[in-house]
Amino acid sequence: TQLLEQSPQFLSIQEGENLTVYCNSSSVFSSLQWYRQEPGEGPVLLVTVVTGGEVKKLKRLTFQFGDARKDSSLHITAAQTGDTGLYLCAGGAGYSTLTFGKGTMLLVSP
Amino acid sequence: GAGVSQSPSNKVTEKGKDVELRCDPISGHTALYWYRQSLGQGLEFLIYFQGNSAPDKSGLPSDRFSAERTGGSVSTLTIQRTQQEDSAVYLCASSLSPYSNQPQHFGDGTRLSIL
Repeated sequence: TQLLEQSPQFLSIQEGENLTVYCNSSSVFSSLQWYRQEPGEGPVLLVTVVTGGEVKKLKRLTFQFGDARKDSSLHITAAQTGDTGLYLCAGGAGYSTLTFGKGTMLLVSP
Repeated sequence: GAGVSQSPSNKVTEKGKDVELRCDPISGHTALYWYRQSLGQGLEFLIYFQGNSAPDKSGLPSDRFSAERTGGSVSTLTIQRTQQEDSAVYLCASSLSPYSNQPQHFGDGTRLSIL
């Protein structure tokens, strides 16, 4: 069974701070996706990474896929209140269904 | 709309009753997934449909849970003889193809509460 561990489970910060959340596994994934979910809504895809060592940037968000394709991180620079939400990582391999982590709940206060 | 549509958005029912949850995927998406999300938990995979192939039911927690997808489009998740532990948000997602690097597009879910 493939498992994805996310840390921290909960993060409360002030606007303007930087943060990093982590997604770790003992399994190798061919791709890893990050989603953000806001209350009362479904998750929305932020990024997909497929190559070991890959770094992708989405405005103030930086995503990295580990060299061994077993882990990933999401770094947010100068967090804003609009970044508040549940961040989920999900790993997949080939035509397998995705394995989701339990998520990191981020609360950004003004 | 162009997104995944789920109904009802909320459902409250008594223990022991049957419930049906509906999902309308994005037109043209061949893959359809059902997940369950409990408070403080991530997404638990339930079942997956791809085209006309037999569904992957490996995530269904018990034989009280079943799902079908008619005409390769709309899907219904049925829970029979509901129990309080079935209370959760049930999410449906669709994707253009079943390859794991394809984005999954989610509906807003059905919040199920069993009294």
